[in-house]
This record gives sequence, structure tokens and C-alpha cells, in this order.
Amino acid sequence: TQLLEQSPQFLSIQEGENLTVYCNSSSVFSSLQWYRQEPGEGPVLLVTVVTGGEVKKLKRLTFQFGDARKDSSLHITAAQTGDTGLYLCAGPNQAGTALIFGKGTTLSVSS
Amino acid sequence: NAGVTQTPKFQVLKTGQSMTLQCAQDMNHNSMYWYRQDPGMGLRLIYYSASEGTTDKGEVPNGYNVSRLNKREFSLRLESAAPSQTSVYFCASSVRAGAALGEKLFFGSGTQLSVL
Repeated sequence: TQLLEQSPQFLSIQEGENLTVYCNSSSVFSSLQWYRQEPGEGPVLLVTVVTGGEVKKLKRLTFQFGDARKDSSLHITAAQTGDTGLYLCAGPNQAGTALIFGKGTTLSVSS
Repeated sequence: NAGVTQTPKFQVLKTGQSMTLQCAQDMNHNSMYWYRQDPGMGLRLIYYSASEGTTDKGEVPNGYNVSRLNKREFSLRLESAAPSQTSVYFCASSVRAGAALGEKLFFGSGTQLSVL
């Protein structure tokens, strides 16, 4: 069974701090995605990584796909209160027909 | 820009009652999905429809049925609701059923369902 494990489960930091959240699996994935979800809303895609070792940047967010395509990380530089939310990693199921999701990291950034 | 629209937004049922959650997308997407989200459990796939006329079970299909009414609409039915089905339900769509190719999912804003 494919599993995506995210850590930490909760993270509470001050504005301006840096942080990294992780998404790990024992399975190889053809791609991984990161979504952000705000309260009362559905998840919204942030990025898709498809090549082992790939690094993508989205303003203050840096996403990395592991060389072996079994893990990914999300690094936020100088966190802002607007970064508060639930961060979910997702990858294709074994049949390649739908996404499976990790349990998420809840990030709280306070001023 | 409606995207994916889910109705209702909130619902309270008694055990044994039935109801249908509605989902419609206006992006001409081929594939649609139903997920449930529970605290500490993440998003779990209930059913999906790769294209109009096809439906398949996901990870947690028991107690649910689906209908892909047309390309736009994908409904989820609870025939006899149970307290274990208390959850937030999300409908999503994608251009095609190519999750392995990194297809982007577009989500609705969810239906919060409580079964008493």
C-alpha cells in the first residue's frame, strides 16, 4: 500500500522564521504535488515536481523532489501570516488514476 | 469563474437517512473525484470517474454510491447514513485521468456532513 507520511503534523512559528515540512514514502512516485488548504475551502495546487532532484521556487516557497523520487520537502523562507494553512502532499495511486494524499502539516504563523 | 461547485455546504442527517451530495464543474474536465477529509486522516478517495460514463471505487467506497450524470456533474449518494460518515466531503475535477502525469486537481469548497 502506498503511503505518504508528512512531518511535522503541526508547526507554530513567528512571522519571519524559516521552516521546512517533509513528505516521505517507501514507494517511488512518478510525480508529487503540494497543495495548500485554508479553513472552509478545498485544497489549491501549489506545485508539481516530476524529476528526481528537481527544485522549484514559488516566491518564498522552495520545493524539492528527492533524487530517488520517494520524498519531497517544502521550505518557506521568512514566513508570513498569510502562509497559515494546511499543507498537503499528494502523489498518484498505483493505477495512476487518482491522487493519494498525506495527512498534512498544519502551519500557524503568528505576528 | 465558478470552477467546481458543491451543494449543500452543510448538512445534518439522522442515522439511516439518505441524501445526495451534488457536484458540478464548468471547466470541461473529463475526470471527477469524491474525497472525504477527517481530522488526522487526510483526504481519502471514495470514488472517481475517469470519463463520462465510467466510475470506479477508491480507497473507502463502502456505504456510498456515485452517478456521473453527464460530463459536468458527479453526485455522491449515502443510502443509509451512519455516524462514521460524519466528515467533510470534497469533489474535485481534472482535465484527464492522468494522476501519474501530474494532473492538477481543482477542488470544490466542500460539504460538511454530520450524521447524528
